[in-house]
Amino acid sequence: KQEVTQIPAALSVPEGENLVLNCSFTDSAIYNLQWFRQDPGKGLTSLLLIQSSQREQTSGRLNASLDKSSGRSTLYIAASQPGDSATYLCAVPISSGSARQLTFGSGTQLTVLP
Amino acid sequence: DGGITQSPKYLFRKEGQNVTLSCEQNLNHDAMYWYRQDPGQGLRLIYYSQIVNDFQKGDIAEGYSVSREKKESFPLTVTSAQKNPTAFYLCASDPGQVSGQPQHFGDGTRLSIL
Repeated sequence: KQEVTQIPAALSVPEGENLVLNCSFTDSAIYNLQWFRQDPGKGLTSLLLIQSSQREQTSGRLNASLDKSSGRSTLYIAASQPGDSATYLCAVPISSGSARQLTFGSGTQLTVLP
Repeated sequence: DGGITQSPKYLFRKEGQNVTLSCEQNLNHDAMYWYRQDPGQGLRLIYYSQIVNDFQKGDIAEGYSVSREKKESFPLTVTSAQKNPTAFYLCASDPGQVSGQPQHFGDGTRLSIL
């Protein structure tokens, strides 16, 4: 059974710092990997999706990498801002026909201090 | 704007009572999902549906039921058999067959026991 682990569980950094969030998964036969952001009391917002054939994806100050062979992904946030404060979750699907069940990590709660 | 609407935002359940959480999407997505999130935890899949009139159990389906009579709607009923229903419930959808498409989430329903 696929298991997803995110380390650290919480992270606090000063504004302007570059940072890396980690995600590891046990079964490397993944279809893709997704990174989401969750603000308190809200749903999830998709940040980046990396296909299994890709090694990285970029969106603005965010860069996600994927190493299937080692079962790892990282989310790099450049020049962090207080507005980046949120919980970041990674998820991998187990393809099942046309639906894609997602297995989630427990998330990293990020606080960016002004 | 296209998106997923969950209602109500807050819901309270009495002992022995069944309650139904609403999820409606106007994204024309084939696949829909229900997740449960407990404090400090990742999301766990309750049920998912690939097409109308079809749905499958996820990891934690006991005490829950769903229906998919219309493409746009995927309501979740929390039955009295679910002994620990207090949680944050999230509905999601995606196109299903199309690769590279992230799941879209609603803003959630927070369920508590009276």
